[in-house]
Amino acid sequence: IQLTQSPSFLSASVGDRVTITCRASQGISSYLAWYQQKPGKAPKLLIYAASALQSGVPSRFSGSGSGTEFTLTISSLQPEDFATYYCQQLNSYPLTFGGGTKVEIK
Amino acid sequence: QVQLQESGPGLVKPSETLSLTCAVSGVSISSSNWWSWIRQPPGMGLEWIGEISDSGTTVYNPSLKSRVTVSVDKINNQFSLKLSSVTAADTALYYCARKTKGEGRSVDCWGQGTQVTVSS
Repeated sequence: IQLTQSPSFLSASVGDRVTITCRASQGISSYLAWYQQKPGKAPKLLIYAASALQSGVPSRFSGSGSGTEFTLTISSLQPEDFATYYCQQLNSYPLTFGGGTKVEIK
Repeated sequence: QVQLQESGPGLVKPSETLSLTCAVSGVSISSSNWWSWIRQPPGMGLEWIGEISDSGTTVYNPSLKSRVTVSVDKINNQFSLKLSSVTAADTALYYCARKTKGEGRSVDCWGQGTQVTVSS
C-alpha cells in the first residue's frame, strides 16, 4: 500500500494552522499513525488509529480520516513543531510510510 | 518506562552480513507486542524492514525478505537483526522499535537509532 503525503514541504509561521494530507493507494480503515521527527532524533508517535492522541502529545495536534484519505492538523503552530511528519499504515504488510512533510519556519 | 537501545558495528563491508541487537528494558520481550526494525537512509524517509511477535512469528518486507532475519533472545530481553549480502544501498540509520497490537496498533516506542555504513 502506497502512502502519498502532501505537501512534501511546508513553510509556516508560529500560530498558523497547518494541515498535512496522507492518501493511501487502497483502503486501510483507520489503521494509520502519524509521527514527528526532529533532526538527529527518532520519530515520535503523535496520533494512532487515525485520530487518537498519544499520551503526552499536546492537544493542538489532531488527526482525522478513514479509508484512503487522512489529515494531520496542528491548530496553532509552535516553535517546537518545526520538524518532519510521517504517516504510516498498519493495515497490512508490508507496513509502509509516507514520504514525509517537512515543516519549516517562514 | 520502556526503553530500546540498538548496538552493533557501525561499518560493514559490502557482501558481508549486518548484525544489530536491540536491548529492551522496562518491559518483557515476551509481552504482547511486535518488535520491529525500521531504517532511514541518509536524507530520506522511513522503511520498515521486518518484525517478530511475542509468539515468535516473523514478517519481513518483501523487498528485503531473502536477506533478512529477525530473532528474539528471551533470556537477555533483546532482539536482533541480520541482513546479509549488504551493499551501499543498505547504508542507513537503523531503528529498533516496539509495535503495539490491536485496533490502536502503532509504533509507540523507538530506540535512538544506530548508523550503519556499508563500505570497503
